[in-house]
Amino acid sequence: GAVVSQHPSRVICKSGTSVKIECRSLDFQATTMFWYRQFPKQSLMLMATSNEGSKATYEQGVEKDKFLINHASLTLSTLTVTSAHPEDSSFYICSASSPWTASGNTIYFGEGSWLTVV
Amino acid sequence: KNEVEQSPQNLTAQEGEFITINCSYSVGISALHWLQQHPGGGIVSLFMLSSGKKKHGRLIATINIQEKHSSLHITASHPRDSAVYICAVGYGGTYKYIFGTGTRLKVLA
Repeated sequence: GAVVSQHPSRVICKSGTSVKIECRSLDFQATTMFWYRQFPKQSLMLMATSNEGSKATYEQGVEKDKFLINHASLTLSTLTVTSAHPEDSSFYICSASSPWTASGNTIYFGEGSWLTVV
Repeated sequence: KNEVEQSPQNLTAQEGEFITINCSYSVGISALHWLQQHPGGGIVSLFMLSSGKKKHGRLIATINIQEKHSSLHITASHPRDSAVYICAVGYGGTYKYIFGTGTRLKVLA
């Protein structure tokens, strides 16, 4: 079946640096990808919608200059956390959708990425 | 009130017990996912449902669209089933998802 892969699964970075997380659809073309973040003891929350070839749409309260999203191809979206701070430490997960999968319109989740900023 | 509610929040069971985790939602949905997350680990997608019932091994997921309710059942539970189980609801004809806060399951040997 379709698979969405995230990389890295875990990353530790120093405060003030930037870190990039990749989300790849491995066997289908994803016109739209979504990025979510999990706050401690809370549910995952949508950060932004990433559309191939256009600017991402950010949810209210999400800093677009801090969380840069690029969806340059139909199989790859990247989330870059710029000037990371310890409070950015979190679990980030992507999902990808495409109307061209064998099972019709559906969505697949990545495994997620744990970011620790020290 | 959250748009996606899970119950119970925490569950401890003895090995071999039959387990049920519930998810109720208040939005119109396109699909519902059940996800599993081990502590400190990544997300594993268990089921995607838009109607009826699905079974995979010891796991069974059901959904009742009219009642806006889904259940995840685990038969013959095992300590390796210990994880957080998350219900995620796709809404409004989009692929955006709302997530429940999760049910933390601990199965004791």
